[in-house]
Amino acid sequence: QVQLVQSGAEVKKPGSSVKVSCKTSGGTFSSYTISWVRQAPGQGLKWMGRIIPVLDITNYAQKFQGRLTITADKSTSTAYMELTRLTSEDTAVYYCARLAEPIKWGQGTLVTVSS
Amino acid sequence: DIQMTQSPSSLSASVGDRVTITCQASQDIGNYLTWYQQKPGKAPKVLIYHGSNLEIGVPSRFSGSGSGTDFTFTISSLQPEDIATYYCQQYDNVPLTFGGGTKVEIK
Repeated sequence: QVQLVQSGAEVKKPGSSVKVSCKTSGGTFSSYTISWVRQAPGQGLKWMGRIIPVLDITNYAQKFQGRLTITADKSTSTAYMELTRLTSEDTAVYYCARLAEPIKWGQGTLVTVSS
Repeated sequence: DIQMTQSPSSLSASVGDRVTITCQASQDIGNYLTWYQQKPGKAPKVLIYHGSNLEIGVPSRFSGSGSGTDFTFTISSLQPEDIATYYCQQYDNVPLTFGGGTKVEIK
């Protein structure tokens, strides 16, 4: 049974960076594609980007190009999402997810950006 | 980018009613479409994958159909526990994209 477990909530100052982890279990990590999706308060779901660990390939949504870095540590089956130059508009719940069968989501990580 | 146009944005129906949500893709996505249910404070839960495949453990009152650009999600008999927001999402091409969501309420 594939599981994705994310790191805990974060509070950040504007201009700083945040790094969220997503530890996977129950499958072959390198064969996954891990996406990051965010949801601002009261808003819909927005895909941010993904990593294909076996190929070390990343794809990013245009909106986050230059601010977003997604990495993967194959030795610990963990994916990471780092977002820089945070503003209040980055306050959201961030999810890691496998969006192709078998589809699985992490529990979400609330990132609050506030001065 | 592939745009996913989901409608309606909200609906109110009675328990036992048949509920239908549509999702239109801006280009052919084959069957690479997932339907999710999301309740407040929870991660999205997959109900239907690959357009029409019911996820294991999901009640059979949920169904999906369609291919190419036009997709339909149906709840055959609305139950109180189905109160949630529903999203479609295409995974044919990056960037992966979601519909805007449909909030389902009980009348």
